[in-house]
Amino acid sequence: AQTVTQSQPEMSVQEAETVTLSCTYDTSENNYYLFWYKQPPSRQMILVIRQEAYKQQNATENRFSVNFQKAAKSFSLKISDSQLGDTAMYFCAFLETSGSRLTFGEGTQLTVNP
Amino acid sequence: GAVVSQHPSWVICKSGTSVKIECRSLDFQATTMFWYRQFPKQSLMLMATSNEGSKATYEQGVEKDKFLINHASLTLSTLTVTSAHPEDSSFYICSAKRWGAGGFQETQYFGPGTRLLVL
Repeated sequence: AQTVTQSQPEMSVQEAETVTLSCTYDTSENNYYLFWYKQPPSRQMILVIRQEAYKQQNATENRFSVNFQKAAKSFSLKISDSQLGDTAMYFCAFLETSGSRLTFGEGTQLTVNP
Repeated sequence: GAVVSQHPSWVICKSGTSVKIECRSLDFQATTMFWYRQFPKQSLMLMATSNEGSKATYEQGVEKDKFLINHASLTLSTLTVTSAHPEDSSFYICSAKRWGAGGFQETQYFGPGTRLLVL
């Protein structure tokens, strides 16, 4: 079974600075997808970024980028120029291409301070 | 695109009654939807996978007779909590699976969630 681990329960960053959230996973699969979702206080789950395992290039979405290290099974999220609206719980998630079940990490609560 | 709605967003009910929660994909068809439960400050726990036109697949430990799932169309799945009790109070979230261009990219999009309080 796949597992996803987020070792940072809480993090904080000053507005306009950069922060990196860690995620590691365990799988025997070669092809899969990885995601970062954010859940703000409204509790709406919002897709931040996705990565296909067969792609070597790291995904980027505006201020959000990932560092995907397939051999190390690591998938960290970097948020640049942090904004107050980035305050949320961030979940790393794994999806094998042959299945449909998302496996979530425990989450990291990020607080952006003014 | 990729909008998923849930209704109601908030429900309070008496113990012993049944509550139905709807999940709709508004701008895409979803053959597969998912129902999650989330406790405060915790991750999402998958309850069941809802497949259009067939029976739902329940995760271990989830009572299928208590949490009835119906996926009658490509845009609607419903979760009915039968004979609700206070311990069923929670935040319930649905998601819908959408395929990207070429059918190779799969992403789940989430509804806004439903807060259930059973008195």
